[in-house]
Amino acid sequence: DGGITQSPKYLFRKEGQNVTLSCEQNLNHDAMYWYRQDPGQGLRLIYYSQIVNDFQKGDIAEGYSVSREKKESFPLTVTSAQKNPTAFYLCASSATTGHNSPLHFGNGTRLTVT
Amino acid sequence: GDSVTQMEGPVTLSEEAFLTINCTYTATGYPSLFWYVQYPGEGLQLLLKATKADDKGSNKGFEATYRKETTSFHLEKGSVQVSDSAVYFCALRDGSSNTGKLIFGQGTTLQVKP
Repeated sequence: DGGITQSPKYLFRKEGQNVTLSCEQNLNHDAMYWYRQDPGQGLRLIYYSQIVNDFQKGDIAEGYSVSREKKESFPLTVTSAQKNPTAFYLCASSATTGHNSPLHFGNGTRLTVT
Repeated sequence: GDSVTQMEGPVTLSEEAFLTINCTYTATGYPSLFWYVQYPGEGLQLLLKATKADDKGSNKGFEATYRKETTSFHLEKGSVQVSDSAVYFCALRDGSSNTGKLIFGQGTTLQVKP
């Protein structure tokens, strides 16, 4: 079945460490996105990529980095510069950036930093 | 900028009750509108969408009509079940933006009691 795979489901890290969240899709989608979700809040866009080898900052990119070396992969690194990294992270993809193309989401990674 | 506003939750209903979750939006262009559902600990699943004014999206007994005159996209279901308990997100994707990003409301928690 086609879909988006995020791993791991739960991740625990000590403060000051960088951590990389994996996102892989086999939908052959061009566009990929990373969102952050905090309790009781909507989703906020961290980074997005419209094509391979290109990515753009979203609304809350500070303290995060990404790469898009392959069409199917869009890993997110949470750096030690991110002040409040504990959150639920969701990766998504869409066939195009056209307005009528829905985003498909993975099942998320819950990151806890202590 | 573009935005989405949803009614605050939680919404608590008895099984077989009628559901309405209000959603209004602000957009400069001609967006597509979406409803997503999130079950505990999971990612978001697309529930339904509408891409132009007066379109009605429907799925699994849920429906919503794109009302341009009132800038609304209210979610309705005639008879809810306990299994419908989840968080519901209204979202828009503006065709005039080349990012393709989805803008979300805050989410509305629905609790259905037997």
